Amino acid sequence: EVQLLESGGGLVQPGGSLRLSCVTSGFTFNKYAMSWVRQAPGKGLEWVSAASGVSESTYYSDSVKGRFTISRDNSKNTVYLQMNSLRADDTAIYYCAKDVCGNYCSFDYWGRGTLVTVSS
Amino acid sequence: DVVMTQSPLSLPVTLGQPASISCRSSQSLVYSDGNTYLNWFQQRPGQSPRRLIYKVSNRDSGVPDRFSGSGSGTDFTLKISRVEAEDVGVYYCMQGSHLPLTFGGGTRVEIK
Repeated sequence: EVQLLESGGGLVQPGGSLRLSCVTSGFTFNKYAMSWVRQAPGKGLEWVSAASGVSESTYYSDSVKGRFTISRDNSKNTVYLQMNSLRADDTAIYYCAKDVCGNYCSFDYWGRGTLVTVSS
Repeated sequence: DVVMTQSPLSLPVTLGQPASISCRSSQSLVYSDGNTYLNWFQQRPGQSPRRLIYKVSNRDSGVPDRFSGSGSGTDFTLKISRVEAEDVGVYYCMQGSHLPLTFGGGTRVEIK
């Protein structure tokens, strides 16, 4: 059974940092891309970042480029999202999602999400 | 960026009646490998998104056959043949052919 479990969310002040983790199981982690997708309160889904499963490539939305860094540890079946210079509009539930492709194309499994609140 | 435009925003439906959601992309979603990476997700209240349809018309395992996807190029549709109470939620289309990956704004399905 595929499982994705996010952690690391919480309350942080504007300008602060957080590191999210997503521990996975039930599939061959190093074959598939992994993404982070966020959802602001009462809003729709927004793709944030992806890490390739077949290369060292990483991808970012313009809204987080230069502030967020995605990484993966294939030995721990875990993907991370380091978030720096956080702003109020980064407040959202952050979901970890497994891709069905090596780079990006579609998400077949999602975690339950972890809430990030940026506020003073 | 590829803009995904969904309509309607809200869809009140009588139980047992059909429902249809439209999704249009600002450019073709045909990828260089010949596939069209257009997906549909369902998000029930308080839950994570769940994929229903991938590559336009392929239904995920466990998804009832009352859900179907169709379309090509830039114009896509999700249909529910007979709406049931468990179908209440928000439906999103998403394109996986171009970076950045983008979602439609969502269509809220509710029971009349």
